[in-house]
Amino acid sequence: AQSVAQPEDQVNVAEGNPLTVKCTYSVSGNPYLFWYVQYPNRGLQFLLKYITGDNLVKGSYGFEAEFNKSQTSFHLKKPSALVSDSALYFCAVRDPSGGGNKLTFGTGTQLKVEL
Amino acid sequence: GAVVSQHPSRVICKSGTSVKIECRSLDFQATTMFWYRQFPKQSLMLMATSNEGSKATYEQGVEKDKFLINHASLTLSTLTVTSAHPEDSSFYICSAREQGGEQFFGPGTRLTVL
Repeated sequence: AQSVAQPEDQVNVAEGNPLTVKCTYSVSGNPYLFWYVQYPNRGLQFLLKYITGDNLVKGSYGFEAEFNKSQTSFHLKKPSALVSDSALYFCAVRDPSGGGNKLTFGTGTQLKVEL
Repeated sequence: GAVVSQHPSRVICKSGTSVKIECRSLDFQATTMFWYRQFPKQSLMLMATSNEGSKATYEQGVEKDKFLINHASLTLSTLTVTSAHPEDSSFYICSAREQGGEQFFGPGTRLTVL
């Protein structure tokens, strides 16, 4: 079974400071990893993904994430946070082995960026 | 990225009535569509997966007779909540994926059952 853990319900950051939103995963095979962002009463917007290759993945809006196989982590980062980054962030995993089709989401982390 | 639309974005209905939510992939053919349910401040819970032209596969604990899913074409899937009750009030999100491609999400439908 595949699972995702986001250990922080909320992360508070001052604008201009770097931000990190943590994610760890568990799959039996090689994972496909994703980050999505959700604004209030909206669906999910894709930020970035890791399938294979370079462990550092760059995505939309200046976000990036680093795949760490030994720590089974895929933390989301941004060098300089903006107030407009305040939203709910979801990490997700898919195990493609055996034709796996389903995304499993973490519980989400509310990011609050303040002036 | 590809666009997935949902209609309606918001619906309020009386208890006992049925509500249909449409999900469309606007610029690609979605061989697989997914329906999720999200409670306030919680994660997305997969309800069912549907492939075009075949019956949906429901997750454990999801009543297939209550949540009817139809994926009649490569661009349209519908979720019908039958005999809705207040506990069915939730945010429903669909997602669509073309064969071997990315999964894109709709904007969601807020269902409120009075």
